[in-house]
Amino acid sequence: KQEVTQIPAALSVPEGENLVLNCSFTDSAIYNLQWFRQDPGKGLTSLLLIQSSQREQTSGRLNASLDKSSGRSTLYIAASQPGDSATYLCAVRPGFGNEKLTFGTGTRLTIIP
Amino acid sequence: DVKVTQSSRYLVKRTGEKVFLECVQDMDHENMFWYRQDPGLGLRLIYFSYDVKMKEKGDIPEGYSVSREKKERFSLILESASTNQTSMYLCASSLLIYRADTEAFFGQGTRLTVV
Repeated sequence: KQEVTQIPAALSVPEGENLVLNCSFTDSAIYNLQWFRQDPGKGLTSLLLIQSSQREQTSGRLNASLDKSSGRSTLYIAASQPGDSATYLCAVRPGFGNEKLTFGTGTRLTIIP
Repeated sequence: DVKVTQSSRYLVKRTGEKVFLECVQDMDHENMFWYRQDPGLGLRLIYFSYDVKMKEKGDIPEGYSVSREKKERFSLILESASTNQTSMYLCASSLLIYRADTEAFFGQGTRLTVV
């Protein structure tokens, strides 16, 4: 059974720093991996999706990488801002024809002004 | 933009009540999902539907049922609400296309409290 882990559970960094969030998964046979952001009490907002054949994806200050063989993905946030404070979740889609996502428990990020 | 809309942001219901959570998406997606989210447990899949009137159990279907009479609408039903069903409920949708770039889109969540 696929398990997805995000460590640390919480992270605080000063504004302006670059930071990396980690996501590990136990079964490398994934179709894609998606990073989400969740603000307190709200739904999930999709940030980036990396297909299994890709190594990385970029959107603005965000860069996500994928290493399937080692079961790892990272989300890099450049020049962090207080508005980046949120919980970040990663989710893997198991495979062709399997639509169900398996989620990590998230990293709660706080950017200190 | 894809929009997934859940009918309520907050609900308070009494133990034993029948509760309906509604979700509507406007992008003609075939797949729709219901998750619940609890601290320390993350998101867990309750039910999934890939077509009208089709449903599959997720990881924690006990105490829940679903209805999908129209493609755009997916309802989660708590037949007899219990306090252990107090949670954040999240609806999602995605295209049924066998491509690796298919994203899932989520609604804003419904915070349900059962008293």
